[in-house]
Amino acid sequence: DSGVTQTPKHLITATGQRVTLRCSPRSGDLSVYWYQQSLDQGLQFLIQYYNGEERAKGNILERFSAQQFPDLHSELNLSSLELGDSALYFCASSASTGEAFFGQGTRLTVV
Amino acid sequence: GEDVEQSLFLSVREGDSSVINCTYTDSSSTYLYWYKQEPGAGLQLLTYIFSNMDMKQDQRLTVLLNKKDKHLSLRIADTQTGDSAIYFCAEIPVSSGSARQLTFGSGTQLTVLP
Repeated sequence: DSGVTQTPKHLITATGQRVTLRCSPRSGDLSVYWYQQSLDQGLQFLIQYYNGEERAKGNILERFSAQQFPDLHSELNLSSLELGDSALYFCASSASTGEAFFGQGTRLTVV
Repeated sequence: GEDVEQSLFLSVREGDSSVINCTYTDSSSTYLYWYKQEPGAGLQLLTYIFSNMDMKQDQRLTVLLNKKDKHLSLRIADTQTGDSAIYFCAEIPVSSGSARQLTFGSGTQLTVLP
């Protein structure tokens, strides 16, 4: 158990809909990262938050957004969903030492 | 190249050693990581090596780093069926700045045959 909790584990939704994925980082970790894993793109960095502030953006679509709350949990919002958004979405948290610990992921299926 | 590269597949017999290779992109990467992903599961941090080291050993795992060739390898001694998984090499390139996000390879599917 990495200490990073993601909910829900599975999500099935229709095209055009909006979903919210939730992540609770390890106790004490200020950094939260979101990654997308798909068959064609592999593991891609989406966005990072540090202590409530956005720190870096990767290959994140404009239809996607995230935030980190004062209790350090984070949410990834995916809107106007397309079939190609079906993927495994991972959250990771890291301490100052740099190692990133990943949650179990949310498997999103868009139908 | 711009990608972290790994072979896609590796098969070994139970009890043999496995060696998974990776070529990374940024010679200035400070830390290099190996993650394991079992079917339907998340990414488990296996081990990492600091760039000023050539080798790191952790029980059955040995990491070798050749900075000149930007080559990283993971050796698993006495491979067991429970080691069957996808193994990802990852780096934190200097270009990531203070964000320190990981850049992953494509993963190597290790299959351990009985």
